[in-house]
Amino acid sequence: DTAVSQTPKYLVTQMGNDKSIKCEQNLGHDTMYWYKQDSKKFLKIMFSYNNKELIINETVPNRFSPKSPDKAHLNLHINSLELGDSAVYFCASSQDGSLNTQYFGPGTRLTVL
Amino acid sequence: AQKVTQAQTEISVVEKEDVTLDCVYETRDTTYYLFWYKQPPSGELVFLIRRNSFDEQNEISGRYSWNFQKSTSSFNFTITASQVVDSAVYFCALSEAAQGAQKLVFGQGTRLTINP
Repeated sequence: DTAVSQTPKYLVTQMGNDKSIKCEQNLGHDTMYWYKQDSKKFLKIMFSYNNKELIINETVPNRFSPKSPDKAHLNLHINSLELGDSAVYFCASSQDGSLNTQYFGPGTRLTVL
Repeated sequence: AQKVTQAQTEISVVEKEDVTLDCVYETRDTTYYLFWYKQPPSGELVFLIRRNSFDEQNEISGRYSWNFQKSTSSFNFTITASQVVDSAVYFCALSEAAQGAQKLVFGQGTRLTINP
């Protein structure tokens, strides 16, 4: 009965490849997010979707494209992976886009070689 | 822009000691929320507390307590009688309204090590 789940947990790939990370929440929340945690543990928001609609799009390279097939899922596709993309990516969800608590998934550690 | 500062990068104490993690924030919003999250060595982010900007009452949950002071823009976290299982990175965060939604602005985190 995991609330927010992500797959895969670890992802190791070569530069230039395209990869996807999947996120699912079973909390019935309307809003989902992607955050990036760099090697210094700094967490920064990348995207937010509310009811499948893109709400927040921070200054993220175009190589990153989120996709929300329904409000329970928010996937992250990354094209032409670069060394600097290596990080831990966290998915989160909240009841809606207002000031509600965000609950995080377990994270996906992406390593680009 | 909103900002959260956790000045203590690392703290190391011996088990059973009390320890306080500092958090100072900057915001122009009158309505906002403050959060603490715990990231244990296993890597997940665990929600600990959310505090409304209009509620300055201190909160206690077991060995954990939080002190929110708007006058100093601080939201400090104290662990009483620390245990080895408290070892983790702790993040303070501030909610920021953005583009019709909200995002969390995180501090740099404080790595807490509890030694047996």
